[in-house]
Formats: sequence, C-alpha cells, structure tokens
Amino acid sequence: AQKITQTQPGMFVQEKEAVTLDCTYDTSDPSYGLFWYKQPSSGEMIFLIYQGSYDQQNATEGRYSLNFQKARKSANLVISASQLGDSAMYFCAMREASYNNNDMRFGAGTRLTVKP
Amino acid sequence: DAGVIQSPRHEVTEMGQEVTLRCKPISGHNSLFWYRQTMMRGLELLIYFNNNVPIDDSGMPEDRFSAKMPNASFSTLKIQPSEPRDSAVYFCASSLEVGGPLGPSVLTFGAGSRLTVL
Repeated sequence: AQKITQTQPGMFVQEKEAVTLDCTYDTSDPSYGLFWYKQPSSGEMIFLIYQGSYDQQNATEGRYSLNFQKARKSANLVISASQLGDSAMYFCAMREASYNNNDMRFGAGTRLTVKP
Repeated sequence: DAGVIQSPRHEVTEMGQEVTLRCKPISGHNSLFWYRQTMMRGLELLIYFNNNVPIDDSGMPEDRFSAKMPNASFSTLKIQPSEPRDSAVYFCASSLEVGGPLGPSVLTFGAGSRLTVL
C-alpha cells in the first residue's frame, strides 16, 4: 500500500530565505507521480508541482523545485526566496499510474510559517 | 473553466439528520475523488470514481456514508444518519486520466464543504 511520510509538523523560515520540506514515500509500483499541494488558511487546495517517477530531471515551477531522490524514495519541496504569502500547510502526495489503482494519498502535512 | 464546484460550502445540522454534499467536476474530466479532512486524521480518501464507476470505496467509514455518480457531471456524498464525529471539511476533486506512459494526472480540488454536526 502507498505510504507518504512528512516528518516535519511545523517549519519556520525567514522571509527571503529558502526552505526545504521533507517527504518520503513507499510504493512497489515502478510508475508513479509525486505531487505537492499548498493549503492556505482559507482552506483551498492549490497544486504546486509534479514529478513523474521516470522523469530524469527534477521538476521546477517558479520558486518551487522538487528534490527527487528515487533510490531514497524522497521528494522534498524546496521553496526559494520565501514570501509571507507562502505561510500555509503543505502536503506531499503520491499516485500510482495504474488506471484502476490511481487514487492519490496524502501525507500529514507540514505547516510553514514565514517570518518577516 | 469554473473549476470543481461543491455545494453547500457550509452545512450545520443536528445529529441524526441526513446530509447530502454535491460536486460538479471539471467538464471532460473522467475521474472524481471524495476526501475528508480533519485535524486528527488529515486528508482521507473516501471513494473515487473512474468514468462514473466506483473503483475503491474502502475509505468510506461506515454504511452511513454513500456516494453516487449518476453521470459525468455530478456526484453526491450522502451521510445518513449524521453524527458529530462526521464534522469535517469534505473535498471533491477531479482529474483527466490518460494512464499509460503519460503517468498520473493532477487532481483539481473544489473549495470544500465544511460540515458541522451538532
């Protein structure tokens, strides 16, 4: 069964600094996708970045990048140049690629607080 | 595109009452997911559908919960009878699944329905 682990319940970072949010996963499927979502205090779930298991390069989206270490089964999110608006819950998630086994499972989340 | 639309956004009801949550997925999406979020248990997958067919409902907590997807543009999650422990935010999400080497697709979430059972 899929398992997603986020070991940091809370993180603090100074504005304009970079921060890394940890995520490890477990799957026996060779084809899968890893996702990060942001949930601000308003409650909506916002997709940030995606990494496929066969992707050769780490995914990047603006200030977000994903440090994908397949052998270690880790998919850490790096946020560069933190802004006050980055304060939110961040969830790591994984989906396996089988059509009839493609549910998305989430980690427990990390609450990021950006300090001015 | 209007995104995934959920209703109601907020629902307060008394224990024992029936609750129906509604979801309209993004047009053209072929997979739909229902999640429940609580402080204690985080984001839990309740059930998901592919092409309107329920694929996995193992996350549905009890027989009091049921979900339907009568067509590609509408789904309901019903709780009957409701209990205080059902209080949570219920999210609906949809995606376009193509499978194969293109891999899994991104889920787009609705704004959620906050349920309070007194």
